[in-house]
Amino acid sequence: DGGITQSPKYLFRKEGQNVTLSCEQNLNHDAMYWYRQDPGQGLRLIYYSQIVNDFQKGDIAEGYSVSREKKESFPLTVTSAQKNPTAFYLCASSPGQGAPGTEAFFGQGTRLTVV
Amino acid sequence: AQSVAQPEDQVNVAEGNPLTVKCTYSVSGNPYLFWYVQYPNRGLQFLLKYITGDNLVKGSYGFEAEFNKSQTSFHLKKPSALVSDSALYFCAVRDPYSGGYQKVTFGTGTKLQVIP
Repeated sequence: DGGITQSPKYLFRKEGQNVTLSCEQNLNHDAMYWYRQDPGQGLRLIYYSQIVNDFQKGDIAEGYSVSREKKESFPLTVTSAQKNPTAFYLCASSPGQGAPGTEAFFGQGTRLTVV
Repeated sequence: AQSVAQPEDQVNVAEGNPLTVKCTYSVSGNPYLFWYVQYPNRGLQFLLKYITGDNLVKGSYGFEAEFNKSQTSFHLKKPSALVSDSALYFCAVRDPYSGGYQKVTFGTGTKLQVIP
């Protein structure tokens, strides 16, 4: 059953702590994305990757880091430099530049809360 | 720069009535347009898209959308609303000629409330 798996579903972070959100896909997609969702602000792009071992900053990359060592995996680390990390985080994938009209597939999200 | 606007934060409609969720866009070329739906604490699910061809696009769960180039709009419609349609709806646009990474821009979302 193909899709995108995000874990954990809920995550609690203490002040000054780094946390890593997992995103795995078995759709054989080249491109992967991380979005942050806040109420009333829609989806904002944090990082994206079009191919293994390459990734680019999105609109709100400060305080976040990613890696893309495998095609299937695109983990997101929320660092202590991110001052307001409480949000709903969504991972997505798409086939890539060769299929620009193809829709993105989304994971079920991770809700991160600072305690 | 491309942008998309969803002018209504919330739309209320009675069950069985037709529904419309509005979306307007701005891109430099011909757009690729998408609608997604999000249920509480879930990811986005694809509903339908316009790439080229017929301006009326049909999608999942009985939804359809009409691409209007002159009005730069892509409104989502359904002839008869169901209570189960209550969710958050996102419109998205991509400029296929932007080169490099073809960024998708999402609207801020419209909450649809179908009243029994």
